[in-house]
Amino acid sequence: QLQLQESGPGLVKPSQTLSLTCTVSGGSVSSGSYYWSWIRQPAGEGLEWIGRIYTTGTTNYNPSLESRVTISVDTSKNQFSLKLSSVTAADTAVYYCASQLGYFDDWGQGTLVTVSS
Amino acid sequence: IVLTQSPATLSLSPGERATLSCRASQSVSSYLAWYQQKPGQAPRLLIYDASNRATGIPARFSGSGSGTDFTLTITSLEPEDFALYYCQQRTNWPPRITFGQGTRLEIK
Repeated sequence: QLQLQESGPGLVKPSQTLSLTCTVSGGSVSSGSYYWSWIRQPAGEGLEWIGRIYTTGTTNYNPSLESRVTISVDTSKNQFSLKLSSVTAADTAVYYCASQLGYFDDWGQGTLVTVSS
Repeated sequence: IVLTQSPATLSLSPGERATLSCRASQSVSSYLAWYQQKPGQAPRLLIYDASNRATGIPARFSGSGSGTDFTLTITSLEPEDFALYYCQQRTNWPPRITFGQGTRLEIK
C-alpha cells in the first residue's frame, strides 16, 4: 500500500498560482503501473478530478481546468506536483493526491487550500 | 459522461439493507467504481469494475450493473457504514474521469 502526503500553502491570493506537492512512500513514482492524480473537493460538495500524470510524463487533464493546470513529476524526490494558475474563490477546496491503477486505490489525507486576499 | 446518483440522501437503520444507484449518461461498460467517504477523511475504494470488492472490503458490500445502470448494495448496515458514497467512471479514450454527486447514507 502506498502512502501519499500533500504539502503546500494553505492560502493563495486570487489571480495567483496554486502549487501543491505530493510525496509518495512505499513505492516509486517511476513505477510503470501507476497514474498519479490530483482530485479536489470544495467544502460540502462532491469530488472533481483535476488531472493525472503517467510515469512516461504523459498528462491528462479535466477539460474544464485544462487551460490552467500543469501536473509534473520529480522522480529524484519521489514526488509529483500540481500547479493551478489564475485562481479564484471557486478554487477553494480540499486537494487530494491519489495513485491510480485502474481506480484510485490510495489517497493522501488532503490539504485545504483557500483562495482569498 | 455525467454520473447521476440516487437518492441524494438515504435514511436507514442499522441492520437494514441499503441500495444506492448510479446512472451514467452513456455507457461506461463496467468501468465503474464506488467509494466511501467519512467526515474529514479521504475517500476509500470499495468496489471496482462495477462488481469487484477492493482489498479488505467486507462482504456485505456488493456492486452490480453494466452499461449505464449500476447499484451498490450494503446488506445489514453496520454503524460505521453511515457515510457518503460516490460512484466514479473512467474512460480510456479520451481519458476522462468523473464522479457522481454522492449519496449520503444517514442513520434513521
